[in-house]
Amino acid sequence: DAEITQSPRHKITETGRQVTLACHQTWNHNNMFWYRQDLGHGLRLIHYSYGVQDTNKGEVSDGYSVSRSNTEDLPLTLESAASSQTSVYFCASSVDSGGYEQYFGPGTRLTVT
Amino acid sequence: AQSVTQPDIHITVSEGASLELRCNYSYGATPYLFWYVQSPGQGLQLLLKYFSGDTLVQGIKGFEAEFKRSQSSFNLRKPSVHWSDAAEYFCAVGDTGGFKTIFGAGTRLFVKA
Repeated sequence: DAEITQSPRHKITETGRQVTLACHQTWNHNNMFWYRQDLGHGLRLIHYSYGVQDTNKGEVSDGYSVSRSNTEDLPLTLESAASSQTSVYFCASSVDSGGYEQYFGPGTRLTVT
Repeated sequence: AQSVTQPDIHITVSEGASLELRCNYSYGATPYLFWYVQSPGQGLQLLLKYFSGDTLVQGIKGFEAEFKRSQSSFNLRKPSVHWSDAAEYFCAVGDTGGFKTIFGAGTRLFVKA
């Protein structure tokens, strides 16, 4: 069965370190998204991609970057982790037709100390 | 700009009672509308979606939602709640000019015996 996976599921890091969160999907979807989830804020879009070599900033992109070298993967990098980036991160993918509902990964809980 | 409002941060219902979760959206054109559910420690799962046709849509797990253009609402309903329905529910609106989705802040449902 097709799926979307994230790794690691839990991560503790120190302020200032670079961190990369992996996202891999086997749906063969062109669209991929990264969100962060914080209490009271729902899901906020960090970055998204509509295909290989395409990346776009979302509403909370400062301090984050992504790259898309193939259809399956969209890694999220925190260039210099800050305590404000402690959050749960979700990756999602979607088709680009017919209502484009999103399929979510299980999430990565990141703690920056 | 698009936005989604879920007026209730949390709701408690008794098992077997009916449920209605409210959602209001702001969008200039006919929106794509979604309800997702998130169980603790998991990613979001699509319950149902609306983008045209019958304004009453059926979803998984016995849920339904009604699109009311005049009220800019897309409320989620279930006639009889089960303890396993306890979760967080997110209403979302899709951008018909692209593939992004804007999520509401969520409503946490508690089910009491």
